[in-house]
Amino acid sequence: DAGVIQSPRHEVTEMGQEVTLRCKPISGHNSLFWYRQTMMRGLELLIYFNNNVPIDDSGMPEDRFSAKMPNASFSTLKIQPSEPRDSAVYFCASSLPGGGTDTQYFGPGTRLTVL
Amino acid sequence: RKEVEQDPGPFNVPEGATVAFNCTYSNSASQSFFWYRQDCRKEPKLLMSVYSSGNEDGRFTAQLNRASQYISLLIRDSKLSDSATYLCVVNTWGANNDMRFGAGTRLTVKP
Repeated sequence: DAGVIQSPRHEVTEMGQEVTLRCKPISGHNSLFWYRQTMMRGLELLIYFNNNVPIDDSGMPEDRFSAKMPNASFSTLKIQPSEPRDSAVYFCASSLPGGGTDTQYFGPGTRLTVL
Repeated sequence: RKEVEQDPGPFNVPEGATVAFNCTYSNSASQSFFWYRQDCRKEPKLLMSVYSSGNEDGRFTAQLNRASQYISLLIRDSKLSDSATYLCVVNTWGANNDMRFGAGTRLTVKP
């Protein structure tokens, strides 16, 4: 079975450019999460969708960040304009709540470098 | 104070050693608890859930102490392949919308 798929795996861009990260959750999972991981701050939840609807975006750092989930099999995280401090690994995770388990399955991550 | 705190380590132990990690959480309403493992430059993966009665999975034993608000992970007979960062994860509402990750404890098992 395919796990969570993220693209691109690596992204190097210059400050001010728009960056779009993509995620395909595990088929049948109805919750999707975007995380950011840095050495300084660890793993931080940015936003969480349930049934394609954004439920909690309190972790989104600022207006430069936006996320969408147009359907159950696709989500994007956009940064516009990007800044060097956005450099991090961005993970997408999905889960199927209920049934006594709320395990999140992570994608391989997108390593973003903003120069 | 962070919601989930872990000793960052690193823990450097020889093969065959027993090593224990502790994690404390601040929200007494927390309901679900997990240990995730993250290898270098890889994504976090669920190692095991932590149940109130404690649970064991092979060489790994997880314990939960709600009164003191801490979780532990014990690894017996450590292997080289156990080298990784171990993340303590706490879910406050028993749903996915409030999973809090600790910063992780780094373990290196040496020959």
